[in-house]
Amino acid sequence: AQKITQTQPGMFVQEKEAVTLDCTYDTSDPSYGLFWYKQPSSGEMIFLIYQGSYDQQNATEGRYSLNFQKARKSANLVISASQLGDSAMYFCAMREGGDDKIIFGKGTRLHILP
Amino acid sequence: DSGVTQTPKHLITATGQRVTLRCSPRSGDLSVYWYQQSLDQGLQFLIQYYNGEERAKGNILERFSAQQFPDLHSELNLSSLELGDSALYFCASSVGNFGEETQYFGPGTRLLVL
Repeated sequence: AQKITQTQPGMFVQEKEAVTLDCTYDTSDPSYGLFWYKQPSSGEMIFLIYQGSYDQQNATEGRYSLNFQKARKSANLVISASQLGDSAMYFCAMREGGDDKIIFGKGTRLHILP
Repeated sequence: DSGVTQTPKHLITATGQRVTLRCSPRSGDLSVYWYQQSLDQGLQFLIQYYNGEERAKGNILERFSAQQFPDLHSELNLSSLELGDSALYFCASSVGNFGEETQYFGPGTRLLVL
């Protein structure tokens, strides 16, 4: 079974709109961490945001926030006021406390339209 | 510039050969992570070192090995190379042990096995 599922292979969004990228995860470990990464077309990998399973509040970093719904096992990335530079591939990942491996989803390609 | 350096940027080699990829973490970072990104397998976590010790192991093949040296730089050794090993190999570093700190990625080494 997929541990990390990103159901949107691609998305097109108008500039300045908010974007939600979906991510659901599967784990029975009570201790885990969830990550989002961005990969622009240039190929570099950029770490965006982290959410721990015991964190009481949703993580935020500038225009990025993580909508963490533990009961639904969902960790959606929200980008507010999208910009052209947000066009990239976005990966959701999980690290389980038991073995500390990091597992990635297949990614969502986001296109911001002017 | 993330402060993480990887050499070489590109590597072309033949099947059966052995190569070494090198990573220098950001100054002060104790953790080094290795990732592989290929078209077939997507993005995969290979291994993490923390202050010279192996911390977590992901989908790293037995033909691959890594180490972190006392000066904290790390090397990923790939041997008996196969066509399927062609991929982009990223190194990342972070200050601490668990992944909640920001991980800074290097530019990657693109490996082509012919």
